[in-house]
Amino acid sequence: DQQVKQNSPSLSVQEGRISILNCDYTNSMFDYFLWYKKYPAEGPTFLISISSIKDKNEDGRFTVFLNKSAKHLSLHIVPSQPGDSAVYFCAASVAFGNEKLTFGTGTRLTIIP
Amino acid sequence: NAGVTQTPKFQVLKTGQSMTLQCAQDMNHNSMYWYRQDPGMGLRLIYYSASEGTTDKGEVPNGYNVSRLNKREFSLRLESAAPSQTSVYFCASSRPGSRRGGYGYTFGSGTRLTVV
Repeated sequence: DQQVKQNSPSLSVQEGRISILNCDYTNSMFDYFLWYKKYPAEGPTFLISISSIKDKNEDGRFTVFLNKSAKHLSLHIVPSQPGDSAVYFCAASVAFGNEKLTFGTGTRLTIIP
Repeated sequence: NAGVTQTPKFQVLKTGQSMTLQCAQDMNHNSMYWYRQDPGMGLRLIYYSASEGTTDKGEVPNGYNVSRLNKREFSLRLESAAPSQTSVYFCASSRPGSRRGGYGYTFGSGTRLTVV
């Protein structure tokens, strides 16, 4: 039972354009969401996060949007750069208790120069 | 500051062999985790340790054991390796409230394990 889903395994975007990565979740107990970026042969690194009390969080070129009623979040990258080519994972955690994260299956983003 | 260090980086095992994956963090984090990454499956939690002296099963614990040796170290053991355990294994750590602060986990660089 995949509680966090990324339905697009891959995405190609031209340099300078907007990249939009999507993520859906099924567990209504999730209250905190994060995006991680992963380059080959490296561990994932934290990118941006959002609490369920917000619907948008912005950090430079990266913006995460959360639609709680639809159980959907998205990551926008504007403008896209070649260095953004990586695998992106969304992750979610519940409100209380330990810090366990449930990850999605990942989307491989390729930025075309 | 090394962060999270995993050893070895690569390993090939024969079916039935055993091995231990080592993980150490130098950030004084309380919680540590072992994940495996497989194509099309994302990152799946094997075991975690919320604090020194405690361990709990994650989503896919079968075939694995863990030891939280001290606050710094969290090892993952395969007692009798199977081809289905061919994967990339990641160790991670976090401090209380880190997800609220937006920091999330700090991951190691991974161990690529092949079981033949």
